Amino acid sequence: RKEVEQDPGPFNVPEGATVAFNCTYSNSASQSFFWYRQDCRKEPKLLMSVYSSGNEDGRFTAQLNRASQYISLLIRDSKLSDSATYLCVVKISGGYNKLIFGAGTRLAVHP
Amino acid sequence: DAMVIQNPRYQVTQFGKPVTLSCSQTLNHNVMYWYQQKSSQAPKLLFHYYDKDFNNEADTPDNFQSRRPNTSFCFLDIRSPGLGDAAMYLCATSRKTGDLNEQFFGPGTRLTVL
Repeated sequence: RKEVEQDPGPFNVPEGATVAFNCTYSNSASQSFFWYRQDCRKEPKLLMSVYSSGNEDGRFTAQLNRASQYISLLIRDSKLSDSATYLCVVKISGGYNKLIFGAGTRLAVHP
Repeated sequence: DAMVIQNPRYQVTQFGKPVTLSCSQTLNHNVMYWYQQKSSQAPKLLFHYYDKDFNNEADTPDNFQSRRPNTSFCFLDIRSPGLGDAAMYLCATSRKTGDLNEQFFGPGTRLTVL
């Protein structure tokens, strides 16, 4: 079983739609959680950290459920520029800043 | 301004011919990482340097080696590239440790093995 699992998609949505991505992780020692965005043939970039109480950054809302080992990302009012792959990432407690990446969920927003 | 720079952006090598990929950073970060990412897959950590301390992931093949001559530079050496080593190689940096320390990625080097 992969340490971080995501639905690969693609999610094809029209502009303005609301779309939600889910992610599960298997290591209960996971300590910190993030969503990274990766455009086609580019490097991953941090989109947002995910806090236990849930957090929002503009049109993006992230939620964490530690009991279920589940993370979500909600994108409201999708823009064409949101088209990318969204990587769910967890940091394991202890030691250095090791991140475990999911394979990503691809989002395609169309006019 | 570029913060994590990788050269070359595209590298073509022949089966079995050694190749070196380069990464440099202007962030003065303590930790530098090398990841391998194949198409539609997650970035996979190969190894990292915490200052001068080298840390190899348990499943990284011996074919992959790394050098960090100073804080700014880190190299990935592939001693005998196989067809299965064709991938995007991503360099990243972060400050020491800490729960929310962001990793900053370079643009990657796409390696083709003929």
